[in-house]
Order: sequence, then structure tokens, then C-alpha cells
Amino acid sequence: QVQLVQSGAEVKKPGASVKVSCKASGNTFISYAIHWVRQAPGQRLEWMGWMNAGNGNTKYSQKFQGRVTITRDTSATTAYMELSSLRAEDTAVYYCAGPIATMAFDIWGQGTMVTVSS
Amino acid sequence: DIVLTQSPGTLSLSPGERATLSCRASQSVSNNYLAWYQQKPGQAPRLLIYGASSRATGIPDRFSGSGSGTDFTLTISRLEPEDFAVYYCQQYGNSPRTFGQGTKLEIK
Repeated sequence: QVQLVQSGAEVKKPGASVKVSCKASGNTFISYAIHWVRQAPGQRLEWMGWMNAGNGNTKYSQKFQGRVTITRDTSATTAYMELSSLRAEDTAVYYCAGPIATMAFDIWGQGTMVTVSS
Repeated sequence: DIVLTQSPGTLSLSPGERATLSCRASQSVSNNYLAWYQQKPGQAPRLLIYGASSRATGIPDRFSGSGSGTDFTLTISRLEPEDFAVYYCQQYGNSPRTFGQGTKLEIK
């Protein structure tokens, strides 16, 4: 059973960067597509981008292009999402998610709360 | 980007009743790649339906999805107490993947 376990909550100041990790259990990490989705308080879910864990190729939402970077460490079976130039509107729960048996998001991490406040 | 509009915003029903949730897309969803998720407070979303009508692993058969093109429906045939939550639709046939704003299913 594949599981995604994310890093803990973060508090950042405006203008700073945050890096959230997502560790996948099992030894088939490189066969996964890892997506990142965020949910601001009271808002709908918002797709940010994804990475092919096998070759590291990425694609980002236009909204976050230039501010988001998704990377991976295959030996650690961990994906990372870094968001820069943080502003108050980036306060949200950030999820990693992946299609496993389907092309939708079969599995999700538990979420990481990122708070941006001065 | 494809905009997904869900209705109603809130649905108040009693256990045992039938729930019908709607998701309308601003343009046709490629290959009917439309999913439904359930989210409870403090939890990550859980996949219920993919490909508009296929149930995900372990999802009870009281959940069913239908529709094609731009109009999709999630039906819960007989509500159980644990079904009261927020439901989101998502299209994954076009980039960027987009979500609806959610329907809150509350106990009447």
C-alpha cells in the first residue's frame, strides 16, 4: 500500500520561501507522478504542478510559474515543493497527491499547513 | 482553463435520503476525465469516482457517478452518517487540472 507522508507545519514571513517534502513509501517511487495541490482557507482545491519522479520532468500551473519548483531525491523516495516570494495569500494547506491505479488522485499526503505572516 | 461549477453550494438532507450533486464544466472534459472527491474536516480529500463513472477501490456502491461532456452528477443512493462532508469534482483531461468549488452535504 503506497503512502505519502509530508513534512510538518511551517510559519514564514512575507518574501521568504518554503520547502515542503513528501515521502513515498515503497520502492516504486520512480514510477510515480507526484502532484501538488493547495487549499487556502475556505477556498477550492488548486493544482500547482506535477513531476515525473522517474526522470524529474516537471510542469507547473501558469499561476505559479516562476515561483514554484518541484524536485525529488530518488534515493530518499521524496519529492519536494518549494514556493518562493511568499505572500499572505499563500497561506494554505499544501498536499502532495498521486495517480496510482487511475489517472485521478488515488493517494494524498496528509497535508502541510503553511502560514505566511509578518 | 476549464472552470467547474458545482451545485448546490450546500445540500441539507437526512440519513437514508438520496443526494444528487452536480458539476458543470465551462467546456467539454476530454475523455470524460472527471473525478469526485470527498473531504472531511482536517483530512485530505479521498477519491470516490474517476472517469466520470468508475468507483475507486473500496468505495461503497451507494456512490455512483454519471454524465459526459460538460455535465456530471454524483449520486449517493442512501445517505449514511459518515457521508456528510464536502464533495469536490475535478477534471484531469486538460491542463491545468481544475477543481470545482465544492458542495457541502450537511445533516438536516
